[in-house]
Amino acid sequence: AQSVAQPEDQVNVAEGNPLTVKCTYSVSGNPYLFWYVQYPNRGLQFLLKYITGDNLVKGSYGFEAEFNKSQTSFHLKKPSALVSDSALYFCAVRDGTGRRALTFGSGTRLQVQP
Amino acid sequence: GAVVSQHPSWVICKSGTSVKIECRSLDFQATTMFWYRQFPKQSLMLMATSNEGSKATYEQGVEKDKFLINHASLTLSTLTVTSAHPEDSSFYICSARDGAAQETQYFGPGTRLLVL
Repeated sequence: AQSVAQPEDQVNVAEGNPLTVKCTYSVSGNPYLFWYVQYPNRGLQFLLKYITGDNLVKGSYGFEAEFNKSQTSFHLKKPSALVSDSALYFCAVRDGTGRRALTFGSGTRLQVQP
Repeated sequence: GAVVSQHPSWVICKSGTSVKIECRSLDFQATTMFWYRQFPKQSLMLMATSNEGSKATYEQGVEKDKFLINHASLTLSTLTVTSAHPEDSSFYICSARDGAAQETQYFGPGTRLLVL
C-alpha cells in the first residue's frame, strides 16, 4: 500500500523568507510524486511532479521540490515566500508500476505573513 | 496546463433526490478520470476510478449503487449521487489523467453539494 505523510498541519513564514513544506512517502515501486495547491473552495492546482531524472524539480510560481530516495522525502520549497502563496498544499504519490490513482497527504496549510 | 471543468460548481437539493455532476477534460483526452470527496479541512479521499468505455472501479466502502459513474467519452465522466441524504453533503472533485503529460492528473474546480 502507498501512503504519504505531511507532518505539519500548518507552516507559518514571513513574506520574503524561504519556505519548506515537508512530505515523506511510502510506495512499493518507483514513486511518482506530485505537489498540488488548493485555494479556498477551489479544486487542486498542479504545481510540480517528479517521475524520473533530476532530483530537483522546478514547478509553477517559483516552487521547487527535491526528491530524496534514501529519506523517501519530497519536500516543497520556495526561496522567497509571497503572501499570495498562502493556501493548502497537498503532496501525493502513486506507484509507477501499479495502480494509477493518487494517494494524498493530509495537507499543510501555509500562512505567509506580510 | 490542461483544463478540467466541473458542472455544477455548487448544488443544493432536497433529501431523496438525485444529483448529477459532470467532469470534462477540455483540451485533452482522458481515458481515466478519478472522483474524490473532500470533507472540510481534510484531505481528498478517492471514491472511484472511471475508465472510458468500461465500469468504474470503486474504493472500499464506497457504494456503487449510491454513486453512479459513467465515462461515456474520452472527455466526459459523470457522477450521480442517487437518493441523496444530508450525510452526502461534501465537496466532490474530479481529476483527469493526461497520459501525454507523464501521467499528470489535472483537477476540476470541485462541486459543493448540500443536501437539505
